[in-house]
Amino acid sequence: DAGVIQSPRHEVTEMGQEVTLRCKPISGHNSLFWYRQTMMRGLELLIYFNNNVPIDDSGMPEDRFSAKMPNASFSTLKIQPSEPRDSAVYFCASKRGLAGYNEQFFGPGTRLTVL
Amino acid sequence: AQRVTQPEKLLSVFKGAPVELKCNYSYSGSPELFWYVQYSRQRLQLLLRHISRESIKGFTADLNKGETSFHLKKPFAQEEDSAMYYCALSAQGAQKLVFGQGTRLTINP
Repeated sequence: DAGVIQSPRHEVTEMGQEVTLRCKPISGHNSLFWYRQTMMRGLELLIYFNNNVPIDDSGMPEDRFSAKMPNASFSTLKIQPSEPRDSAVYFCASKRGLAGYNEQFFGPGTRLTVL
Repeated sequence: AQRVTQPEKLLSVFKGAPVELKCNYSYSGSPELFWYVQYSRQRLQLLLRHISRESIKGFTADLNKGETSFHLKKPFAQEEDSAMYYCALSAQGAQKLVFGQGTRLTINP
């Protein structure tokens, strides 16, 4: 298993452009998480899904951010329009089962730079 | 609301010296606590969780409910321990993790 797959690995875009980040969770995992990592704020949870259903999106910074999970093997995080303060590393993670103590498996991250 | 505090952003020790990375949490219930580690150019991965009461790569962490702490310790640091370490908390029965700010550990030769 290749683990959690994220694409692209790096994205450089200009302010105002739409950005779409993609994630393929580990097969058989039924929970998926999107995180943002910055120097100032560390690792923050943006949103998570159970069985493709969004459960908690309280960490999504504003309406410019949206996330979808159309099926068990694919999720997207979209920023429209993007702003320089959105520059960060975005991680996707997946987990098997619903127990809180189960390990989350992280993807390699997407480094986003908004100019 | 849950909160995790790692007071040290940077920690530098010499090889062979003891290491302690501090983690304090704020949560009124019974938490699930974890340490995640990110080595250079690698993914963030689970190091250990308090429920397992295990030692991984020589590291241990004990949950102290009285002090609301979950410090990570290793008696003799090795150069390969250099990494970014995150303490994380999951509220009882909850799915999501709340992470601390992280501590970058550097082991000097």
